[in-house]
Amino acid sequence: EVQLVESGGGLVQPGGSLRLSCAASGFTFSSYSMTWVRQAPGKGLEWLSYISYTTSGSSSVHYADSVRGRFTISRDNAKNSLYLQMNSLRAEDTAVYYCARGLLGYGLYYFDSWGQGTLVTVSS
Amino acid sequence: QSALTQPASVSGSPGQSITISCTGTSSDVGNYNFVSWYQQHPGKAPKLMIYEGNKRPSGVSSRFSGSKSGSTASLTISGLQAEDEADYYCCSYATSSTLLFGGGTKLTVL
Repeated sequence: EVQLVESGGGLVQPGGSLRLSCAASGFTFSSYSMTWVRQAPGKGLEWLSYISYTTSGSSSVHYADSVRGRFTISRDNAKNSLYLQMNSLRAEDTAVYYCARGLLGYGLYYFDSWGQGTLVTVSS
Repeated sequence: QSALTQPASVSGSPGQSITISCTGTSSDVGNYNFVSWYQQHPGKAPKLMIYEGNKRPSGVSSRFSGSKSGSTASLTISGLQAEDEADYYCCSYATSSTLLFGGGTKLTVL
């Protein structure tokens, strides 16, 4: 069974940093692209970042304008884990953060398995 | 980049059909066939219902179908059931290797 479990959320002050993790199991993690999506309280979904599966030791990454330069996506295939390093956090980054697996063969475009989400609250 | 435009809410009675629209621009829906739809029940993670405009992942009911015309994509749910009550989000690939979600539509089954 495919499982994605996010962790690392919590309360952080404006301007602070946080690192989210997503532990994957039940599938060959290195063969799948992964993404982060967030949802502010009572609001809709917002795509944040994507990382491709690893080929020749490297992965391509993409970011939404709203987080480019502040957030960094990475993966550790040996640990079956996805990460999101979040710096210079703002109140508007308060949201539930989901990791999701890319649909095989469709890379960036679609996501067929999602974690349960981890809540990040940015407040003083 | 602005979110794709969806109606805030739609409703229908059991057994009826409903359609949710998703309007974008020539930079996203209108220029790419990479449109998907997600269902989200309260407090739950989203679930992929439609991808590549009109394909269903394994396990998704054939009552769900998708289409696209120009810069507007649509999700149709036929034979509405109580369990279909949820929020629905469209999503499209956009220029510069990014993705855009719609604002979401709350479906109420009367």
